[in-house]
Amino acid sequence: SAVISQKPSRDICQRGTSLTIQCQVDSQVTMMFWYRQQPGQSLTLIATANQGSEATYESGFVIDKFPISRPNLTFSTLTVSNMSPEDSSIYLCSVRPLGQGDTGELFFGEGSRLTVL
Amino acid sequence: GENVEQHPSTLSVQEGDSAVIKCTYSDSASNYFPWYKQELGKRPQLIIDIRSNVGEKKDQRIAVTLNKTAKHFSLHITETQPEDSAVYFCAASPYSWGKLQFGAGTQVVVTP
Repeated sequence: SAVISQKPSRDICQRGTSLTIQCQVDSQVTMMFWYRQQPGQSLTLIATANQGSEATYESGFVIDKFPISRPNLTFSTLTVSNMSPEDSSIYLCSVRPLGQGDTGELFFGEGSRLTVL
Repeated sequence: GENVEQHPSTLSVQEGDSAVIKCTYSDSASNYFPWYKQELGKRPQLIIDIRSNVGEKKDQRIAVTLNKTAKHFSLHITETQPEDSAVYFCAASPYSWGKLQFGAGTQVVVTP
């Protein structure tokens, strides 16, 4: 398993500002992903955070809007840039630990709830 | 890319009855199909998964079936209990270590 710490847990932001969300894992992980979950909706994959290289973004998400860093195997950040009310959502970090064999289980952080005014 | 459709969006069942949620996927290369449960205000958690070399898998009161020819898979919950009330998400991926594309979710409400 993996213990994931996400910060901040929630924030209220002004339109046009940027916010960086941190994801810290207590053990090394192979894959790290960032998902967005709008209220009452599904989990939408934003990007795969790649260690030491640029993230891989899904259709509809771009690096200028959602820059991601992953400097090592236990830490990643997601920045939501130039926020608008449409960015109000829960952002979730998810990981797949090393040495998990073929179990495939993704572990999720508790999420960061952003409200943009 | 993969597209996963999930039905129904809401499901209300009497305690003790069975619940069935169905998903279809578009990418014939998908081989890994997990199900996640998300209780209100909590993070999603894996409850069961199945790979394409298996047609059915059971774990106590929950089971998953897979029909690769028809590209659909289903979650079955028997003898439902109030603690089964949650949102359930299906997902699909070409491999177990890759990214997951989730279905829209099913809100299950178990009434006593």
